[in-house]
Amino acid sequence: GAVVSQHPSRVICKSGTSVKIECRSLDFQATTMFWYRQFPKQSLMLMATSNEGSKATYEQGVEKDKFLINHASLTLSTLTVTSAHPEDSSFYICSARDSSGRGSQNEQFFGPGTRLTVL
Amino acid sequence: GEDVEQSLFLSVREGDSSVINCTYTDSSSTYLYWYKQEPGAGLQLLTYIFSNMDMKQDQRLTVLLNKKDKHLSLRIADTQTGDSAIYFCAESRSGGSYIPTFGRGTSLIVHP
Repeated sequence: GAVVSQHPSRVICKSGTSVKIECRSLDFQATTMFWYRQFPKQSLMLMATSNEGSKATYEQGVEKDKFLINHASLTLSTLTVTSAHPEDSSFYICSARDSSGRGSQNEQFFGPGTRLTVL
Repeated sequence: GEDVEQSLFLSVREGDSSVINCTYTDSSSTYLYWYKQEPGAGLQLLTYIFSNMDMKQDQRLTVLLNKKDKHLSLRIADTQTGDSAIYFCAESRSGGSYIPTFGRGTSLIVHP
C-alpha cells in the first residue's frame, strides 16, 4: 500500500520547450503533495507544497511561473517545467501524504522520481 | 552551515555493522528520520524517532539520538549487499508543518 507513481521516469527535451511531470497516489487520496528537486550528491530541496483545489505554496527562490503546479484531484499533481533550460536538468521527486492519516507521523510517501535532461 | 549534515560515504564489509552519523542544528526538531534511496528510486522511510527518545530499535536497525549534541545515528547490524544505498537523515518540526529537511545523504557501499 501507499504507492506513489511518477510519469515519465525519464525525459529528454530541447531547450525552450515545456515538460509536464505527473505524480499519482495509486491507493490513497492525498490532499497534500510535495515536489522536490535533487542534484547529484545533494539533498532533496523542497520546491513547493501542492494543495488539492488551491494554489501551491512555493519555497523561497523557486519561480512559480517557471514551475507550474496543478493539483486538480486527490490523486494527481502535475509539475510543468516551462521554457526549460539546461540548468533545469535534475531529478524531480514528488511525495504525498495520505489524507486518511495512514503512515507514521505525517509520513510522506515518495514517488520514484523523474530524471529531466534539457539539451 | 547546513541544517542537517552527514558524511557522504561509508564502506563496510558484508556481515559487519554499519553506523551512519548525522548532526542537525534546530533544537526544536520534533521528529528525526532515516530514509533509504536505492539507485533511480524515490525515498523509503526506514525509521523515525521522537526527539524525546534516546533509542529506537527495529530488527537490524538501531537509531540513537543525543539531543544535547543534536546527533543522530543509524546502526545497521549484519549489513548485507542489499543494504547498499543512499541513506538520508532528516528532521521535522511542527513549525515547519512536519515537512522534513534532508541532509545530503550518505552513500553506503557494502562489499563482500
